[in-house]
Amino acid sequence: KQEVTQIPAALSVPEGENLVLNCSFTDSAIYNLQWFRQDPGKGLTSLLLIQSSQREQTSGRLNASLDKSSGRSTLYIAASQPGDSATYLCAVGSYQLTFGKGTKLSVIP
Amino acid sequence: GAVVSQHPSWVICKSGTSVKIECRSLDFQATTMFWYRQFPKQSLMLMATSNEGSKATYEQGVEKDKFLINHASLTLSTLTVTSAHPEDSSFYICSARDRWGSRDEQYFGPGTRLTVT
Repeated sequence: KQEVTQIPAALSVPEGENLVLNCSFTDSAIYNLQWFRQDPGKGLTSLLLIQSSQREQTSGRLNASLDKSSGRSTLYIAASQPGDSATYLCAVGSYQLTFGKGTKLSVIP
Repeated sequence: GAVVSQHPSWVICKSGTSVKIECRSLDFQATTMFWYRQFPKQSLMLMATSNEGSKATYEQGVEKDKFLINHASLTLSTLTVTSAHPEDSSFYICSARDRWGSRDEQYFGPGTRLTVT
């Protein structure tokens, strides 16, 4: 059974700092890996999707990498802003996704 | 991108009553939709896969007689929580799969907060 772990559970950084969020998964035979953003009491916003044949994806200040052999993915956020404050979820699978518990990010002005 | 809506966005009901949550794909047809549940400070857990015109597939540990899923059209799936109890209080999120030609994407709804008193 696939298990997804995200570390740290919470992170607080000053505005402008670069940061890395970590995600690990137990079964390397994944289809896709996705990073989502969830604001309090809200649904999910898809940030980046990395297909199993890919190693990374970039969108603006976000960069996600995937290392299937080690069962890890990282989400890099450059020049963080207060608006980046949210919970970031990592999920693996095709459409029936297995989610991690998320990392709650607070960017302090 | 495509839009998935959920209704209601929040609902409070008394223990023992049933609650229906709707998930709609607004600008695409979705033969497959998924229902997730999220408890506070926990991850989203897949409850079931809803297939248009056929029975839903439930994940292990999810009671199919308690969580009734109907996917009667290509744009609507409903989740009915029957005889709700306080432990059913949770955030329910649906997603819909958009498959058309070479396009194959998944979109999430905004979620429904259920509180059972």
